[in-house]
Amino acid sequence: EVQLVESGGGLVKPGSSLKLSCVASGFTFSSYGMHWIRQAPKKGLEWIALIYYDSSNKYYADSVKGRFTISRDNSKNTLYLEMNSLRSEDTAMYYCAKLGAGWGQGVMVTVSS
Amino acid sequence: EIVLTQSPTTMAASPGEKVTITCRASSSVSYMHWFQQKSGTSPKPWIYDTSKLASGVPDRFSGSGSGTSYSLTISSMEAEDAATYYCLQRSSYPPTFGGGTKLELK
Repeated sequence: EVQLVESGGGLVKPGSSLKLSCVASGFTFSSYGMHWIRQAPKKGLEWIALIYYDSSNKYYADSVKGRFTISRDNSKNTLYLEMNSLRSEDTAMYYCAKLGAGWGQGVMVTVSS
Repeated sequence: EIVLTQSPTTMAASPGEKVTITCRASSSVSYMHWFQQKSGTSPKPWIYDTSKLASGVPDRFSGSGSGTSYSLTISSMEAEDAATYYCLQRSSYPPTFGGGTKLELK
């Protein structure tokens, strides 16, 4: 069973940085592309980033391109999302996902002064 | 970017009633995927590759469609089906989600 556990969220001020982690288990992490998806309070789902199984390719939504960086450490079964220059509109629940198989429980990021 | 439009946005169904949720794409996609989300929880994969049920999904659910029009159908509504359903396309980057359909029990 796919298990994904995110951590690293919190309350930060605009312009700050934050790094999210997602520890995976229950599947061969190093064989699969992984995604970050976010959901603003009371809103729908927004895909924000994808990294290939071997980190050879990374894709970003326009809304985060140049500010967020997705990465992974296959030796630690861990996915990361480094977020810089945070804005109030980045306030959301952030999920890591093996899209078709399972999502984490999410971690809340609040950007507010 | 492919825009997915779900309809209806919200709906209520009685136990035993047939339910159909539609997802229309702004351009043709190869497959559609569906997720179920209940309040306070993360989305669950529900239907993948247009018509395949994820593990544990009751067989009263089905998915169909092609090109720009896809649907999720519940043959007979049950209380546990009340949730928000999202469609997702990943045929074209970036992957995009529909706006969601909130299904309530009448």
